[in-house]
Amino acid sequence: QKEVEQNSGPLSVPEGAIASLNCTYSDRGSQSFFWYRQYSGKSPELIMSIYSNGDKEDGRFTAQLNKASQYVSLLIRDSQPSDSATYLCAVKDFNKFYFGSGTKLNVKP
Amino acid sequence: DAGITQSPRYKITETGRQVTLMCHQTWSHSYMFWYRQDLGHGLRLIYYSAAADITDKGEVPDGYVVSRSKTENFPLTLESATRSQTSVYFCASSESGDNYGYTFGSGTRLTVV
Repeated sequence: QKEVEQNSGPLSVPEGAIASLNCTYSDRGSQSFFWYRQYSGKSPELIMSIYSNGDKEDGRFTAQLNKASQYVSLLIRDSQPSDSATYLCAVKDFNKFYFGSGTKLNVKP
Repeated sequence: DAGITQSPRYKITETGRQVTLMCHQTWSHSYMFWYRQDLGHGLRLIYYSAAADITDKGEVPDGYVVSRSKTENFPLTLESATRSQTSVYFCASSESGDNYGYTFGSGTRLTVV
């Protein structure tokens, strides 16, 4: 069973700050990593994917991958109250996703 | 409308009844999935399908049945509903390949009383 671990939070940050969300995974052979955002009562929506070591930026979001240490992180710059949600880290292997339990982020105005 | 749709959005049923949750996608994605989401457990895979007439068990398949006679439809049936099956159920689809993300349906909130 592939394990994906996240701190459940809540992580509270003030508006305008950088939110840092972290995730570790158990299978050293995993190659594909994703971040989903889930608002309360809604379905998860894809934010970013990353496959290579290093950083990948998309607007205010930066995904970071370190395969040697088996961790993935998501940075949200200039956090907004609308970013308040649960963030799910996921690993995809052989067409199946393995999800972490999610980190709840609260951005305070 | 293009996308992935689930029905019903909400369902209340009694213990022991059979319930079917519907999932329909318009992209012709080869892979389809059913997850349940519960507090404290996150998203857990129930069943998945790689193509029409090909299905396989996930992490928590007991008490559920699936079928996929057409690429676009992937219904999930609870043969005899139990209270422990009260949950939010998400259907998802994806193209084949680990570089593709899932697209989720809007979910079905099922309550078994």
